[in-house]
Amino acid sequence: EFVLTQSPGTLSLSLGERATLSCRASQSVSSGYIAWYQQKPDQGPRLLIYGASRRATGIPDRFSGSGSGTDFTLTISRLEPEDFAVYYCQRYGSSPQTFGQGTTVEVK
Amino acid sequence: EVLLVESGGRLVKPGESLTLSCSASGFIFNTHVMNWVRQAPGKGLEWVSSISSKGKYKYYADSVKGRFTISRDTAKNSLYLQMDSLRAEDTAVYYCARDQPDSGTSRPYWGRGTLVTVSS
Repeated sequence: EFVLTQSPGTLSLSLGERATLSCRASQSVSSGYIAWYQQKPDQGPRLLIYGASRRATGIPDRFSGSGSGTDFTLTISRLEPEDFAVYYCQRYGSSPQTFGQGTTVEVK
Repeated sequence: EVLLVESGGRLVKPGESLTLSCSASGFIFNTHVMNWVRQAPGKGLEWVSSISSKGKYKYYADSVKGRFTISRDTAKNSLYLQMDSLRAEDTAVYYCARDQPDSGTSRPYWGRGTLVTVSS
C-alpha cells in the first residue's frame, strides 16, 4: 500500500519565518507526480505546487517545492499572514491517488 | 480556462442513493483521467474513485467499493458518481478533479465541491 507521511503534524512559526514541510512516500514517486495544496477553513484546497516543483499560476514565489524519489519538501520562504493554513501533499497520476494527513502551519 | 462544476449534493437518509454530477469545460474531456475526492467535516482529503479517459478502467477506495459507481459521458462532458447504500460516514464535501492526460503531463484541477450529508 502506497502511503504519504507528512511531518511535522503542526508547525508553530512567526511572521517572516521560513517554513519547511516534509512529505515522505513509502515508495518512489514516478515522474515527480507530487502536488501540494493549501487549505483554509471553509475553503476548498488550493493547488500550490505540482510536478514536485512547478508553481501553479498565481502562486507567490515564496512558495517552492523540491524533492524526488520518496522525499519531497514544500518551503515557504517568509511567512505572510495569509499563509497560516493546512497543507496537504498528494500523489497523483496513478490510481489510487493518495494524500498525506496534512501539516498545520499556525501562528506561534 | 478549465472549469469543473459539481452538483447533486444534498441531505439524504442512511441507506438512500444519490448521484453526483460534474460538468467539465475548457479542455478535451475524453483525454484525461478523472477523479472524485472527498473531505469529511474536520478531516483530511480522501480519494474516492478514478476513471480512465475513455471509461474503460475504474478504481475505488475500499471504503466505497461495491456501493459507489463512477462513470463519464463524453458527449455531455460530464463525470458522475452514483452513491448507493449511503452511510453517515459518507458525509463529506465531494470534489471532482482532473488528473493526467493520455499523453504528456499537466497540472491537476479541482472543482469547488458539493456537500453530501447523510443523516436521519
